[in-house]
Amino acid sequence: GAVVSQHPSRVICKSGTSVKIECRSLDFQATTMFWYRQFPKQSLMLMATSNEGSKATYEQGVEKDKFLINHASLTLSTLTVTSAHPEDSSFYICSARRDREAFFGQGTRLTVV
Amino acid sequence: GNSVTQMEGPVTLSEEAFLTINCTYTATGYPSLFWYVQYPGEGLQLLLKATKADDKGSNKGFEATYRKETTSFHLEKGSVQVSDSAVYFCALLRSNSNSGYALNFGKGTSLLVTP
Repeated sequence: GAVVSQHPSRVICKSGTSVKIECRSLDFQATTMFWYRQFPKQSLMLMATSNEGSKATYEQGVEKDKFLINHASLTLSTLTVTSAHPEDSSFYICSARRDREAFFGQGTRLTVV
Repeated sequence: GNSVTQMEGPVTLSEEAFLTINCTYTATGYPSLFWYVQYPGEGLQLLLKATKADDKGSNKGFEATYRKETTSFHLEKGSVQVSDSAVYFCALLRSNSNSGYALNFGKGTSLLVTP
């Protein structure tokens, strides 16, 4: 199957700093990628839809200025958590669409201290 | 709106036991349904899917049947192995075309199979 690579897998940062998470489709081009967030013992919740060459579409309740998404190429989308706070600590996972199937990255465990 | 409810874990079974993980959904129209599996330290992988009522998805000995009358998509396996230990997510494809191929997930069910 298709491969989606997400980096880093774990990151610890200080409050107030920004963290960038990358999502790459390694063997296919993805015009659409998705960013999810998962709280402990909760579902994966869609944060935003990332479209190559255009602005991301955010789900209701997700702060656009806090979670910056850039989809500058057909194989790369980035999520930047700006001015991170402890409540942003979570598991973030991306997926990329190919044909009618979604392929997921390994996820990023973000801890803000 | 669209939502998925799956049984809470963790589920602990002995090797070769029968597995059922319940999943029910609420949706407008007839969504496609999926089971994803997440092995420790890895991303989500599609396990199986069904796109219309009465379809049966199957893979690696796992099966799930799309039951419209009961709005269910329960995951089953006749004889689990230690290597099946993972977290299993039931999901449906949103009918909102604005979200492209975004999925609504259940909370996940952790399965531990012991030798």
